[in-house]
Amino acid sequence: EVQLVESGGGLVQPGGSLRLSCAASGFTVSSNYMSWVRQAPGKGLEWVSVIYSGGSTYYADSVKGRFTISRDNSKNTLYLQMNSLRAEDTAVYYCARASVRLGELLDYWGQGTLVTVSS
Amino acid sequence: DIVMTQSPDSLAVSLGERATINCKSSQSVLYSSNNKNYLAWYQQKPGQPPKLLIYWASTRESGVPDRFSGSGSGTDFTLTISSLQAEDVAVYYCQQYYSTPLYSFGQGTKLEIK
Repeated sequence: EVQLVESGGGLVQPGGSLRLSCAASGFTVSSNYMSWVRQAPGKGLEWVSVIYSGGSTYYADSVKGRFTISRDNSKNTLYLQMNSLRAEDTAVYYCARASVRLGELLDYWGQGTLVTVSS
Repeated sequence: DIVMTQSPDSLAVSLGERATINCKSSQSVLYSSNNKNYLAWYQQKPGQPPKLLIYWASTRESGVPDRFSGSGSGTDFTLTISSLQAEDVAVYYCQQYYSTPLYSFGQGTKLEIK
């Protein structure tokens, strides 16, 4: 069974840093494309970043230069390092698998972890 | 970037009645080489992550009730719930995965019981 479990969220001051983790089971992170998607309180869904199986990474313009996506193959875990955080980064952050077989469809999602940026 | 626009923003339907949500993309999401529309629909209930309902615009995900159906091609798409049940109250999102890695979502449609 595919499972994704995020952790690492919390309260951080503007300008601070936080690292989110997404532990996967039931499949191999390094063999798949993995994304982060966020949702500000009461708002819609916003794609944040993706890492391809080959290691290429891409970011939304809103986080480019501040966030870094990575993975630890030995731990089958995806990460999102978030630096220079702003109030507008406050959101629930979801990790999701992008199924290559289904055209990079986001088919499995974690439960999410809340990041609050506030002084 | 492809912009996804849903209508209406909110919808109230009586139990047992049909609910229809529309989604329009700013450019075609039909990939000519395989004739597939790279369009998905998700359902999100409060406090839960999005749940995949429909992909390739009209393929129902395993386990999704057959009262849910998707249609459309190119730039115009529709999610239909044929007979609304109480458990269908949620926010529904369309999403294009044609221009990956730049995924984009519609703004969401809130579905309630009338």
